[in-house]
Amino acid sequence: KQEVTQIPAALSVPEGENLVLNCSFTDSAIYNLQWFRQDPGKGLTSLLLIQSSQREQTSGRLNASLDKSSGRSTLYIAASQPGDSATYLCATLTGANNLFFGTGTRLTVIP
Amino acid sequence: GAGVSQTPSNKVTEKGKYVELRCDPISGHTALYWYRQSLGQGPEFLIYFQGTGAADDSGLPNDRFFAVRPEGSVSTLKIQRTERGDSAVYLCASSLKGQDTQYFGPGTRLTVL
Repeated sequence: KQEVTQIPAALSVPEGENLVLNCSFTDSAIYNLQWFRQDPGKGLTSLLLIQSSQREQTSGRLNASLDKSSGRSTLYIAASQPGDSATYLCATLTGANNLFFGTGTRLTVIP
Repeated sequence: GAGVSQTPSNKVTEKGKYVELRCDPISGHTALYWYRQSLGQGPEFLIYFQGTGAADDSGLPNDRFFAVRPEGSVSTLKIQRTERGDSAVYLCASSLKGQDTQYFGPGTRLTVL
């Protein structure tokens, strides 16, 4: 069974800093990897999806990379803002068509 | 366009009662998923529908849990004889087809007293 780990569990940074969130997974036989954002008491918002054949995806200040062979992905957030404060979840899609999630990184951006 | 919607947003019930949770996927999405999220954890897969049929129900924890999608659109997750351990946020997601980006609803917070 796929296991997804996210480090760190929580992170606080001052506004304007660049930061990296890490995600690792045990089974490299994935179709894609998604990064989500979850605000307290809310559902998940998809940020980026990287297909297994891709190395990275970018959207605005966000850049996600994927190294399938080593079972790792990173989410890079440039010039962080207080509005970026949320929990960030990564999830892998396997052949079973369901997502395996990590436990998330809770990000706080301090004004 | 409208996203995934779930009703109710909150449900409080007593141990042993029966509950139904509803999910309205994005129009035209053939794939529908149910996940359960406990406090401080990531969502865990429960069941996946492709059209009207349950393509994978391996995540359902036991036979008290059942889900249907009779017309290939709206889905209902049914929980019999609820237990306190069933308390969690139940999330529904849909995608155009399997392996596409999954779009999540806001969830139903179930509390079993």
